[in-house]
Amino acid sequence: SAVISQKPSRDICQRGTSLTIQCQVDSQVTMMFWYRQQPGQSLTLIATANQGSEATYESGFVIDKFPISRPNLTFSTLTVSNMSPEDSSIYLCSVILSYEQYFGPGTRLTVT
Amino acid sequence: QKEVEQNSGPLSVPEGAIASLNCTYSDRGSQSFFWYRQYSGKSPELIMFIYSNGDKEDGRFTAQLNKASQYVSLLIRDSQPSDSATYLCAVNLRQAGTALIFGKGTTLSVSS
Repeated sequence: SAVISQKPSRDICQRGTSLTIQCQVDSQVTMMFWYRQQPGQSLTLIATANQGSEATYESGFVIDKFPISRPNLTFSTLTVSNMSPEDSSIYLCSVILSYEQYFGPGTRLTVT
Repeated sequence: QKEVEQNSGPLSVPEGAIASLNCTYSDRGSQSFFWYRQYSGKSPELIMFIYSNGDKEDGRFTAQLNKASQYVSLLIRDSQPSDSATYLCAVNLRQAGTALIFGKGTTLSVSS
């Protein structure tokens, strides 16, 4: 299995500001994913981040709002830009290792 | 639209009973199927996965897959109060190694 860490674990941010979430994996992985889990809901895929290429965004998510970096095979960042209360959610980093998908502990974001 | 459907529950079973969790999916091209457990406030934890029609057993857990009916289930034998959690069904809609699409989850409550 993979050991995944995320920073910060939680944050409270003001409307209109941006937050960058970091994800670190203990193994080199080709594919990293960012999910969002809104209160009481299931996981929604935001984007797929492959090292050396632009992130691929799912329908309803755009690069200007959720820019992603993937500088190497163990690290990625997700920025939530120009935040509004609707962005309050848990953001989860995820990787695939040996065809099994693992999740980080999540970043709980509250926008006031 | 590709969908993964689960009964939200709650499903309540007494300790020691068998809990049966069900999931249907819309895309006949789906390749692999996963069950995750998520405790409140925690990230999803992989329980098991299944690729082929039939049953796959791992300890107290059995996953069952019927691709013709587009149906996957998870049986938990000898249910324990510690099994009380939300169980997420996830499907790989494209090909192995790409991001999973999740159902909304079924909440299981095991009473002692």
